[in-house]
Amino acid sequence: QQPVQSPQAVILREGEDAVINCSSSKALYSVHWYRQKHGEAPVFLMILLKGGEQKGHDKISASFNEKKQQSSLYLTASQLSYSGTYFCGGAGDSNYQLIWGAGTKLIIKP
Amino acid sequence: ETGVTQTPRHLVMGMTNKKSLKCEQHLGHNAMYWYKQSAKKPLELMFVYSLEERVENNSVPSRFSPECPNSSHLFLHLHTLQPEDSALYLCASSQDVWQGLHFGPGTRLTVT
Repeated sequence: QQPVQSPQAVILREGEDAVINCSSSKALYSVHWYRQKHGEAPVFLMILLKGGEQKGHDKISASFNEKKQQSSLYLTASQLSYSGTYFCGGAGDSNYQLIWGAGTKLIIKP
Repeated sequence: ETGVTQTPRHLVMGMTNKKSLKCEQHLGHNAMYWYKQSAKKPLELMFVYSLEERVENNSVPSRFSPECPNSSHLFLHLHTLQPEDSALYLCASSQDVWQGLHFGPGTRLTVT
């Protein structure tokens, strides 16, 4: 069963903040986050390997709540370059098989 | 060349054709993957190879046949495809399962 991402889409003005959530009904052992721009391949953002872990670089960070089986991606002071579709992927029983969310489309307007 | 490369970038084939997709990774990674990305669907894992051995095969129809001759190259052989197989086929690699995937640019496949 795939993780549920919310919201499905969000439109922001440049400089605003966004939070994208990824919830799973199955136990996850790690969570990946990727961004895909239109016509391009997904690009790896970060991986969270254990509950309670938080990571970030630049103004993009993420957290993983293992008890709630939920991960959140935080985009602070969004830039035009942040536009794209964000996917979370969760690793459950199989380390190699990520179960992917349907994606959250983020549009940043000037 | 750097990263993960895929050829061809676009492919149109008839249902009776045979073609192959090629992927090459220049990152020294140990695992390589084939993913299918269709419109309005989550990414679907098709095959995984780790150190040239197939470790995952997600009930993919036999008209798709992978080949991994060495840790840097991955092929997807296609034959007698169906129109519903039209999609973006992405190759990816990773150092190990605890690190992120590096995707290639994909092959846009159209089956007519």
